[in-house]
Amino acid sequence: EAQVTQNPRYLITVTGKKLTVTCSQNMNHEYMSWYRQDPGLGLRQIYYSMNVEVTDKGDVPEGYKVSRKEKRNFPLILESPSPNQTSLYFCASSFQGAVNEQFFGPGTRLTVL
Amino acid sequence: SQELEQSPQSLIVQEGKNLTINCTSSKTLYGLYWYKQKYGEGLIFLMMLQKGGEEKSHEKITAKLDEKKQQSSLHITASQPSHAGIYLCGADPTNAGGTSYGKLTFGQGTILTVHP
Repeated sequence: EAQVTQNPRYLITVTGKKLTVTCSQNMNHEYMSWYRQDPGLGLRQIYYSMNVEVTDKGDVPEGYKVSRKEKRNFPLILESPSPNQTSLYFCASSFQGAVNEQFFGPGTRLTVL
Repeated sequence: SQELEQSPQSLIVQEGKNLTINCTSSKTLYGLYWYKQKYGEGLIFLMMLQKGGEEKSHEKITAKLDEKKQQSSLHITASQPSHAGIYLCGADPTNAGGTSYGKLTFGQGTILTVHP
């Protein structure tokens, strides 16, 4: 089944404790992206990647890191999480020729205490 | 930067009624995307509009991009409870008539509730 998977789905952590949210797709998509969704602020893009080893900042990259070492995986790293990074996070992927027709993962709900 | 304003922010309708959601851009749109989200879940791509005056339909959902390419509307005919969710419009603010490179900005979304 074609899908984008995220792990974990739910995470409660404490300020400053490094964490990684994994994202994997099995559709051989070149493009991958991370978003966060917050009430009143909508869905905002954090980072995106057009292909392996190619990443770029979205609208809200501060406090996040990403890497794209292989095509199927695009992990989101929070080196020192803070409470303002409490949010619902989505990973998405698409073919390079249709980067805005994206397939979304199920979401990761992160709480930073 | 490009901003997308959606209206209304929320909408409650009776099953069977028609409804319209609007998305207005501060800049000319060279690609406008409509997505649907069930609460707490990932988004599902609905359709993409690129040309002024373009109109696309999928089942009972019709989306249109105006001639000036600064406003799009999403119209649902004879709404059903399955249409309930959050509708978001999106666009690439860096696309100036050429290729999109994946930077995507969304409107704040319209929450649709359909009562049986």
